[in-house]
Amino acid sequence: DQQVKQNSPSLSVQEGRISILNCDYTNSMFDYFLWYKKYPAEGPTFLISISSIKDKNEDGRFTVFLNKSAKHLSLHIVPSQPGDSAVYFCAADASGNTPLVFGKGTRLSVIA
Amino acid sequence: DVKVTQSSRYLVKRTGEKVFLECVQDMDHENMFWYRQDPGLGLRLIYFSYDVKMKEKGDIPEGYSVSREKKERFSLILESASTNQTSMYLCASRGGSGILYEQYFGPGTRLTVT
Repeated sequence: DQQVKQNSPSLSVQEGRISILNCDYTNSMFDYFLWYKKYPAEGPTFLISISSIKDKNEDGRFTVFLNKSAKHLSLHIVPSQPGDSAVYFCAADASGNTPLVFGKGTRLSVIA
Repeated sequence: DVKVTQSSRYLVKRTGEKVFLECVQDMDHENMFWYRQDPGLGLRLIYFSYDVKMKEKGDIPEGYSVSREKKERFSLILESASTNQTSMYLCASRGGSGILYEQYFGPGTRLTVT
């Protein structure tokens, strides 16, 4: 039973346009959400996060939106660049020292 | 600069061999984790540890064991490697849970079992 779902295994976007990656969760105890980016043959690196008390967090070209009532979050990348091509993992955290729960990832390809 | 290091980037082992994957972190983190990544399956948690000599099973512990004798080191052991354990193995560490604590990953070990 997947608690964190990334329903799009892949996404292809033109350079300069917006990339929107989506993530849904089922556990209402999650109170902190993270996005990780992973290049082939490397470990994931932290990208951006959001607390459940917020509905938006922005860092440069990256913005994460959280809709708690829908149990949905999304990562927006504007403008998309070829170097953004990677696998993006959504992760959720519940207070109480439990491991992060990861989605299966979305492979983003940004085409020049 | 935070660091999680893994002993090998690439490893080739034969079926039935005992395999040790080592992970070291230099951030004095309490929590350490082992994942494997496979296409279409995402990151799956194998084992984790919240303290020295402590271990907890993750989602897919079968065929694996772990050891944490020192805070900075967390080892993953494949007692008898099988071809279905061919995968990318990722170690991670984290100082705690919640918004104050980021989780850091090592570079990964690509293990091939033939």
